[in-house]
Amino acid sequence: NAGVMQNPRHLVRRRGQEARLRCSPMKGHSHVYWYRQLPEEGLKFMVYLQKENIIDESGMPKERFSAEFPKEGPSILRIQQVVRGDSAAYFCASSPQGGNEKLFFGSGTQLSVL
Amino acid sequence: GENVEQHPSTLSVQEGDSAVIKCTYSDSASNYFPWYKQELGKRPQLIIDIRSNVGEKKDQRIAVTLNKTAKHFSLHITETQPEDSAVYFCAATGRRALTFGSGTRLQVQP
Repeated sequence: NAGVMQNPRHLVRRRGQEARLRCSPMKGHSHVYWYRQLPEEGLKFMVYLQKENIIDESGMPKERFSAEFPKEGPSILRIQQVVRGDSAAYFCASSPQGGNEKLFFGSGTQLSVL
Repeated sequence: GENVEQHPSTLSVQEGDSAVIKCTYSDSASNYFPWYKQELGKRPQLIIDIRSNVGEKKDQRIAVTLNKTAKHFSLHITETQPEDSAVYFCAATGRRALTFGSGTRLQVQP
């Protein structure tokens, strides 16, 4: 029973490039959450999605960031025109039902912007 | 939105001693309070959780208490071991997603 799968584990981008982070939830889970973690800090909520729907994107920056969770395939967090301040660990979590309970986290993607 | 405060930010104890981490939350509608442990470079892992209809829950050396009136909850680790060293996060249900505290770095000295 595979857990939440995220790839890549490490991603290096130069300023101005695009970053695409992928997350496959646990089998049977249809709710996906993205969190950002800066060094020595907590987990900051970004976006909550269900299949083909964005439920809550109140934590997403208004520009350059977008997320999707298509009917088929993984959830994608996309960051356009990356800047150094985007460097962080991005964690995806999934849950079997809504109500933001029992989140299971992936191993994260460490994004480094040069 | 929900605001979760966590204290202390760092905690150092001797092996065998107890460790207590405290959190407060702002949203009186919150009803689910998990605790996560994150080792260096690893994913956060759920270690214990409590719902608002319960005041205390225990799992071996780990216990969590909840005071809904005061809107605070605490994690208690007894007989600490070096492998308990990690960052611990509390969380509370927000409007639509879990809101996390800023974390406590626990160091257990052998």
